[in-house]
Amino acid sequence: QVQLQESGPGLVKPSQTLSLTCSVSGDSITRGGFYWDWIRQHPGKGLEWIGYFSSTAGTYYNPSLRSRVAISVDTSMNQFSLRLTSVTAADTAVYFCARNHIGAAGSFGYWGQGAHVTVSS
Amino acid sequence: EIVLTQSPGTLSLSPGESATLSCRASQTVSSVFLAWYQQKPGQAPRLLIYGGSSRATGIPDRFSGSASGTDFTLTISRLEPEDFAVYFCQQYVSSVWTFGRGTRVEIK
Repeated sequence: QVQLQESGPGLVKPSQTLSLTCSVSGDSITRGGFYWDWIRQHPGKGLEWIGYFSSTAGTYYNPSLRSRVAISVDTSMNQFSLRLTSVTAADTAVYFCARNHIGAAGSFGYWGQGAHVTVSS
Repeated sequence: EIVLTQSPGTLSLSPGESATLSCRASQTVSSVFLAWYQQKPGQAPRLLIYGGSSRATGIPDRFSGSASGTDFTLTISRLEPEDFAVYFCQQYVSSVWTFGRGTRVEIK
């Protein structure tokens, strides 16, 4: 059973860096052919895909965030992390980590419960 | 970027009725790269359908997906009380994966 769990600060000041970590159990983030994603949901609104890490495809980011985002991995801890720099109130959202459904690279079959992040001074 | 437009915004139905949710893509999207999700308040989305019409593990067969050109449909037959939620479509054919804005299915 694949499980994902986000962790990190719930409050970030404007212009600072948002950092979140996704801890994975029941699977290895180095297993080939799988995509480990970050997705966010603004309050009361839709979903926005941020980017992914894949051991076979590398990292790829939504162009709308590419200049500010980075996804890194810690294979020893089986975790992957999100860094979003120069945050503003527009970055206030619930941040989810997810893994694709097997056989469907861009679908999201497993999700964390979400981390609420507020950008405010 | 491919824009997905979902309609209606809200669907008011009674348990036992059928729901038809639409998702229209701004560009050609092969149904192979279309997914549907269900989201309840305070929860992460749950994958229902991937590849346009394949049900994810554990999804009951009252949920079905279909496609016609750039139009995609999620049908929920015989609504159960637990089906009242928000539903999103998502495409993963382009280099930027995008979601629709959602359809809320509420109890009439």
